[in-house]
Amino acid sequence: KAGVTQTPRYLIKTRGQQVTLSCSPISGHRSVSWYQQTPGQGLQFLFEYFSETQRNKGNFPGRFSGRQFSNSRSEMNVSTLELGDSALYLCATNDLQGGTDTQYFGPGTRLTVL
Amino acid sequence: GENVEQHPSTLSVQEGDSAVIKCTYSDSASNYFPWYKQELGKRPQLIIDIRSNVGEKKDQRIAVTLNKTAKHFSLHITETQPEDSAVYFCAARGGNNRLAFGKGNQVVVIP
Repeated sequence: KAGVTQTPRYLIKTRGQQVTLSCSPISGHRSVSWYQQTPGQGLQFLFEYFSETQRNKGNFPGRFSGRQFSNSRSEMNVSTLELGDSALYLCATNDLQGGTDTQYFGPGTRLTVL
Repeated sequence: GENVEQHPSTLSVQEGDSAVIKCTYSDSASNYFPWYKQELGKRPQLIIDIRSNVGEKKDQRIAVTLNKTAKHFSLHITETQPEDSAVYFCAARGGNNRLAFGKGNQVVVIP
């Protein structure tokens, strides 16, 4: 099976702009989680979607939002970008119905806010 | 929610020696504990995981131990090799069903 893919791989934006990132899960995986990775902070959980519904949410401001489509692809949106939003955004998918907790990560989108 | 702490933040070992990374967690309802390895510029990859009904799991040179009473779990790498150099993340899935990660541990294997 093809792995988790994320687009775009790199983005440069300026403060105040908004951005949309995309994640395509492994075929058959219906759960998609999003993480923000910054140096020294590790991976911080943003939210999780399952069957088009947000099932879990981390402690990020409302500027961070997401959605999931019927084909399990997910998007996350960050509005009114701030310098501190510069980070690697990773999505991870898993096959919950397969009875496993294993999460498979995508390559990430590197967002730079100037 | 779950809080996972990881120590030490950086670990240097001589090639062939063992490396041990320890993580502690706060939520006693946590039941799943994976370890991920992230090489520079690459995505995190699962290397081993353990569930709360098991005390130890081994896969070749890698092992994980879990102490539910003390709420800590550790990654053991034996006979380290240069390709083991990476950042290692521990994680725990708590009662809120969310996977909480530690901040990572940089392991450097010195040839």
